[in-house]
Amino acid sequence: DTEVTQTPKHLVMGMTNKKSLKCEQHMGHRAMYWYKQKAKKPPELMFVYSYEKLSINESVPSRFSPECPNSSLLNLHLHALQPEDSALYLCASSQENGNTIYFGEGSWLTVV
Amino acid sequence: SQKIEQNSEALNIQEGKTATLTCNYTNYSPAYLQWYRQDPGRGPVFLLLIRENEKEKRKERLKVTFDTTLKQSLFHITASQPADSATYLCALDAMDSNYQLIWGAGTKLIIKP
Repeated sequence: DTEVTQTPKHLVMGMTNKKSLKCEQHMGHRAMYWYKQKAKKPPELMFVYSYEKLSINESVPSRFSPECPNSSLLNLHLHALQPEDSALYLCASSQENGNTIYFGEGSWLTVV
Repeated sequence: SQKIEQNSEALNIQEGKTATLTCNYTNYSPAYLQWYRQDPGRGPVFLLLIRENEKEKRKERLKVTFDTTLKQSLFHITASQPADSATYLCALDAMDSNYQLIWGAGTKLIIKP
């Protein structure tokens, strides 16, 4: 079982909704990540937090807004999404940025 | 251009045989390479890491080789079982990618009983 916990596992939202994805890890890792994955594609990096500071934003649209309240928690706030944003959103963590990454089970997002 | 490639076609292997998956890369200076397993609808799970100065790494029925001259890593599963069926992703950690993992698209492995 993964030690990175993501909620919810499934989310259906309309294009005008505001929702959040949540992630928690208790491995003492100092880097946390959000990835987006479409079917039959590799994970696509969205954001990296290192020591609770945003260190990488891979040119992600502003309708995705990350937040790192503390070293164990990572949120992804969603607003005014498009149907093409439907995907599996993966949270991950590592001891340091670039080390072996431990993924959560993912949150399946469907935008209608 | 820089890229990392895995065989996009599914690999069908008879149970009990050795499955070998390939990961090729170009124009990267790797620090290390990792292999992950991903089951449908779930997050990738880390399997093995091999450093650029290592030739081979083993873990139970798994073996990874890394040839920086050929720019290739091979991932072997010996005595394969139907439970090994999954998509296997390689990911390269390179000095020239600011140490962010560069992912291959994955190869789907099917072990037939």
